Amino acid sequence: IAGITQAPTSQILAAGRRMTLRCTQDMRHNAMYWYRQDLGLGLRLIHYSNTAGTTGKGEVPDGYSVSRANTDDFPLTLASAVPSQTSVYFCASSETSGFGELFFGEGSRLTVL
Amino acid sequence: AQSVTQLDSHVSVSEGTPVLLRCNYSSSYSPSLFWYVQHPNKGLQLLLKYTSAATLVKGINGFEAEFKKSETSFHLTKPSAHMSDAAEYFCVVSRLRTGANNLFFGTGTRLTVIP
Repeated sequence: IAGITQAPTSQILAAGRRMTLRCTQDMRHNAMYWYRQDLGLGLRLIHYSNTAGTTGKGEVPDGYSVSRANTDDFPLTLASAVPSQTSVYFCASSETSGFGELFFGEGSRLTVL
Repeated sequence: AQSVTQLDSHVSVSEGTPVLLRCNYSSSYSPSLFWYVQHPNKGLQLLLKYTSAATLVKGINGFEAEFKKSETSFHLTKPSAHMSDAAEYFCVVSRLRTGANNLFFGTGTRLTVIP
């Protein structure tokens, strides 16, 4: 049972470079999310998608973009990385965009120098 | 507005002793509340959830939490800590907004279990 697969697991990136974090789920969940985790701040929502073809902005969307071309994939793109985007990024999914359980990937650790 | 406060950033207990991780919330309506656990270098996993049914909620690995509306609390407890309980724990409150889904995460409580 794979659940949520994230890639890469870790990446060091020069400032100004473009980077895409990949996320794939095999549970056929409608809703998907991207969070960033920073020490002392908990998890903060970057972008979400309630269903394929739709996306929305979360709490900290600036500098990030997402797309949801199909049910399974939800990539997160940093168009021009900055050091403040150094973080651990988690992709998650839920069956619906209501109060259901979130299923998380194991995270992508990104360092921007 | 909805928010959640975890009162302790770090809790340390001896193996076999009780665990108490404190969480207070604020919400303009009856919320849904969750506890998630994160083991080192792993994603988050749901421990338990409250969604306006029984106020005492039982979760996995012997954890439970009690919803107390009068105290706006949802503290996580376990009678006897095990070494494998060492992890980061997050209290989460839901917010449902038209066309969106959003969960507010607390800042986390790191649980250390001493042998």
